[in-house]
Amino acid sequence: AQSVTQPDIHITVSEGASLELRCNYSYGATPYLFWYVQSPGQGLQLLLKYFSGDTLVQGIKGFEAEFKRSQSSFNLRKPSVHWSDAAEYFCAVVSNNNDMRFGAGTRLTVKP
Amino acid sequence: EAQVTQNPRYLITVTGKKLTVTCSQNMNHEYMSWYRQDPGLGLRQIYYSMNVEVTDKGDVPEGYKVSRKEKRNFPLILESPSPNQTSLYFCASGDWGGTDTQYFGPGTRLTVL
Repeated sequence: AQSVTQPDIHITVSEGASLELRCNYSYGATPYLFWYVQSPGQGLQLLLKYFSGDTLVQGIKGFEAEFKRSQSSFNLRKPSVHWSDAAEYFCAVVSNNNDMRFGAGTRLTVKP
Repeated sequence: EAQVTQNPRYLITVTGKKLTVTCSQNMNHEYMSWYRQDPGLGLRQIYYSMNVEVTDKGDVPEGYKVSRKEKRNFPLILESPSPNQTSLYFCASGDWGGTDTQYFGPGTRLTVL
């Protein structure tokens, strides 16, 4: 079965600094990859997704992610973090049979 | 407003007392799914449904049942809850499958004593 690893449990960045959240997946075929964000006490909201085509994917709120097949990675980036970006971020992979696996999540703290 | 609703939002119960958490979506989505969220483990899929009367096991189905008699509803049933089922539960729906964008409900925090 497919799996996702998010190596960083918690990341702290200063407001205005750049951000990169790491995601590595394991799946034999071409993966469907997602990044979701969860604000405190809320459900999850989709930031962006990759199915095929251009490996650099643009999402909402100024986020982007790059699919690198050779590294089995799908890292999330933002050039300048805002205080409202403080949340938990989840990477997920879906197989062809609709079985969805999430990573354990990375909690982002933004320092003023 | 397009949304996924779950009820109840909070529930404290005792071991062995059957309970049902309801999930309803108003977006006419084919796909619905249940997840549990535990600290350090992220979200794990319990069951999913591609359409009415079609359900499949996810990663952690033991101790849970689901049904999909109507397109809009996908209740999660715990026949005999145990303390290890204490968790935060999310229902989600999507237009055409797990590879589509999923829309999540607000969550149900369940405590089993």
